[in-house]
Amino acid sequence: AIQLTQSPSSLSASIGDTVTITCRASQDINSVLAWYQQKPGTAPKLLISDASSLKRGVPPRFSGSGSGTAFTLTISGLQPEDSATYYCQQFHSYPITFGQGTRLEIK
Amino acid sequence: QVQLQASGPGLVKSSQTLSLTCTVSGDSVSSGDFYWSWVRQSPGKDLEWIAYTYYRGSTQLNPSLKGRVSFSVDMSKNQFSLNLTSVTAADTAVYYCARAVSTTHTRQGRNYYYYYMDVWGKGTTVTVSS
Repeated sequence: AIQLTQSPSSLSASIGDTVTITCRASQDINSVLAWYQQKPGTAPKLLISDASSLKRGVPPRFSGSGSGTAFTLTISGLQPEDSATYYCQQFHSYPITFGQGTRLEIK
Repeated sequence: QVQLQASGPGLVKSSQTLSLTCTVSGDSVSSGDFYWSWVRQSPGKDLEWIAYTYYRGSTQLNPSLKGRVSFSVDMSKNQFSLNLTSVTAADTAVYYCARAVSTTHTRQGRNYYYYYMDVWGKGTTVTVSS
């Protein structure tokens, strides 16, 4: 199975800051990667598919980039509602796998 | 607007079979455009993909659960279901159902189709007791 490693595992930032979360795949997955946001007690919510394609309705302060084995999720101009855990997911090969998550706290 | 809602027994005894159902509204489980998916999340732990199922019966399974999982699609009720046999405490989790849509990647003139989960249901909590 393809392993995804996210870093950092947690971070704290202030409103208006820009943060970057990294996801590294154990093998080449081209751009077949998605990012999800999960708030406590709720289901994950799709933010980005195909590494950089923003889902309709997701604020443009979220952006994704990368290809191959290295990917990033960037949140520009943090808002209070961005406090959540973020997961990357590869859907290139079965079994589909997720990263371990990055918890983002807004100071 | 598509919505999914997972439902289940809440509490299952160890070694028994867990049965979960996902009810879909706003879309059809017999649509050839989608796979239907199950994902679980153990308390305080990572997300684990269980399977994709297609209305015609084809499935993709996580090998970690192979041999214990079966699926069905009820087009008359617009539902899909999951059965997990011989449950243990390790199967205690929140179980989510989700819709999976396809995306096409072209490499060297050849199209490759992949599926990712774009809409998720609220999830149902399952506790396995001894």
